[in-house]
Amino acid sequence: GDSVTQMEGPVTLSEEAFLTINCTYTATGYPSLFWYVQYPGEGLQLLLKATKADDKGSNKGFEATYRKETTSFHLEKGSVQVSDSAVYFCALRANTGNQFYFGTGTSLTVIP
Amino acid sequence: GAGVSQSPSNKVTEKGKDVELRCDPISGHTALYWYRQSLGQGLEFLIYFQGNSAPDKSGLPSDRFSAERTGGSVSTLTIQRTQQEDSAVYLCASSLTSGGFEQFFGPGTRLTVL
Repeated sequence: GDSVTQMEGPVTLSEEAFLTINCTYTATGYPSLFWYVQYPGEGLQLLLKATKADDKGSNKGFEATYRKETTSFHLEKGSVQVSDSAVYFCALRANTGNQFYFGTGTSLTVIP
Repeated sequence: GAGVSQSPSNKVTEKGKDVELRCDPISGHTALYWYRQSLGQGLEFLIYFQGNSAPDKSGLPSDRFSAERTGGSVSTLTIQRTQQEDSAVYLCASSLTSGGFEQFFGPGTRLTVL
């Protein structure tokens, strides 16, 4: 069945460091891919998305490219800030039906 | 408000009691999802409603869990005879079924079973 596997955390980085959180998926066909973020004490919110192969989603300095050949959707940011400290979830929406599959989440802490 | 709302925000109950959790999706969203997020865990899918179709209940962990969605809008998740392992944050999300497809999440209900 469809599934998402993401890098386990927790991840701790210094401010201005480069961030990569790996995400790979298993799905039939062409799913849509998402990164959600959960800031401390808040609900999940959409960070970025990509709906077809080679699309790049971007928001708030974060980017992720939909790579069908490697079934990946890695999240990157060139220079993290303390305010980026949160839990990040990779997710896919199957292209048949409306079922979503989430990864287990990666906790990021950015220290000044 | 235009977002997904859930109530109550916190619920403390005794083992063996029944609880009801409510979700108000975004107006016009035909898809509604319930998830459970246990401490340190990812999101566990529970149930999915799509318009007037029969719900996808494949994620419900036991027959103590049930959900309904009235009039294609408000949904109620009911947990009967609660157990301590039911303690978690219960999240509701809604989405359109066309366009961006992204889910919009509510703030969650934190359930504590003593």
